[in-house]
Amino acid sequence: DTGVSQNPRHKITKRGQNVTFRCDPISEHNRLYWYRQTLGQGPEFLTYFQNEAQLEKSRLLSDRFSAERPKGSFSTLEIQRTEQGDSAMYLCASSPLGQIYEQYFGPGTRLTVT
Amino acid sequence: SQQGEEDPQALSIQEGENATMNCSYKTSINNLQWYRQNSGRGLVHLILIRSNEREKHSGRLRVTLDTSKKSSSLLITASRAADTASYFCATDEMDFGNEKLTFGTGTRLTIIP
Repeated sequence: DTGVSQNPRHKITKRGQNVTFRCDPISEHNRLYWYRQTLGQGPEFLTYFQNEAQLEKSRLLSDRFSAERPKGSFSTLEIQRTEQGDSAMYLCASSPLGQIYEQYFGPGTRLTVT
Repeated sequence: SQQGEEDPQALSIQEGENATMNCSYKTSINNLQWYRQNSGRGLVHLILIRSNEREKHSGRLRVTLDTSKKSSSLLITASRAADTASYFCATDEMDFGNEKLTFGTGTRLTIIP
């Protein structure tokens, strides 16, 4: 399967713990995006990378959140000192560098903070 | 914040009927896209319409765009049970290009066999 993959698919953690999610984009895609989706809502943009450079961050991305894409391939999203409000589906997407392309989404990581 | 609002929030129709859902957005855009999301899963791209286009077709899908009203509609003809899903419109703002998408709140479509 050459689609976008995310791991883990589900994560349950206690409040205050740190969690890290991984996203593997489609191999030839230069752009990688992170979104957060809460129940009954559409995805909300968090951040995006072009190759290894993080080019934009949403104000939703507090200082407890950090994302990396060290070699321009896979990406990690870390949440420190998790709060119950962080419970959501975290979606990763990728797209080719170019003009106008749709984004290809992974299955998401569902985070539950207890 | 959510850019768009879909209308209706939920829609139930009989299999074989047509389903129409609408999307309104706030800022000037480059493109508008529609995505489908099955329960608890990732999003799948359906169709993209550029800001200089007014209508586009893809199989059983028909999308219209009215930039003067900042609105779009998605028509699914001859609905099937497999069309049961949530449908989202997504826009990219004219000043920012394709770097990020701003999604609406979604329409939950249920096809009754």
